[in-house]
Amino acid sequence: GQQVMQIPQYQHVQEGEDFTTYCNSSTTLSNIQWYKQRPGGHPVFLIQLVKSGEVKKQKRLTFQFGEAKKNSSLHITATQTTDVGTYFCAAWGSSYKLIFGSGTRLLVRP
Amino acid sequence: DTGVSQDPRHKITKRGQNVTFRCDPISEHNRLYWYRQTLGQGPEFLTYFQNEAQLEKSRLLSDRFSAERPKGSFSTLEIQRTEQGDSAMYLCASSSGSSNIQYFGAGTRLSVL
Repeated sequence: GQQVMQIPQYQHVQEGEDFTTYCNSSTTLSNIQWYKQRPGGHPVFLIQLVKSGEVKKQKRLTFQFGEAKKNSSLHITATQTTDVGTYFCAAWGSSYKLIFGSGTRLLVRP
Repeated sequence: DTGVSQDPRHKITKRGQNVTFRCDPISEHNRLYWYRQTLGQGPEFLTYFQNEAQLEKSRLLSDRFSAERPKGSFSTLEIQRTEQGDSAMYLCASSSGSSNIQYFGAGTRLSVL
């Protein structure tokens, strides 16, 4: 079945450093979503990418969807302690089934 | 908009007991999803309702699990004869028909002793 692989599993950065997480699929995706889950919290929707090669920005966060629509990335510029959490990509495995990656846990040293 | 509400927040039960969780979605949302999340993993899809109809159910879901959404509003997830492997966070999410954005509740953490 549909799977999305996410790397790295963990990233520990110094505050102010950049951070990137990658999401890959063996099949072409119709769209991809990104969610953030703070420690002890629940997933919160960040963004959805639909078009091949699409790039979207939210303040210090940059999201990209690959040209072949098989991969995506989330890049955070100049991390802050408020960025701590686990970032998940998610793709639709069917009309109704959202498949989540295993997530990248970001830890930020102040 | 009061958000997605789940009850209880925590449940501790003994192996073999039945448990039931409740989810109240955002009021105008006709789509409702149940997920299970274990430590270090992403949410794993369990089942999906559109209004009162259960349209998809994960093959990973054993027959000990059942979900209902009788009037197309709140939903319940029941686990019969719980096993230690059922220990996890059970998340509910809802969305409207016009959007793919899923809004998650805070979850019910189940511990099976």
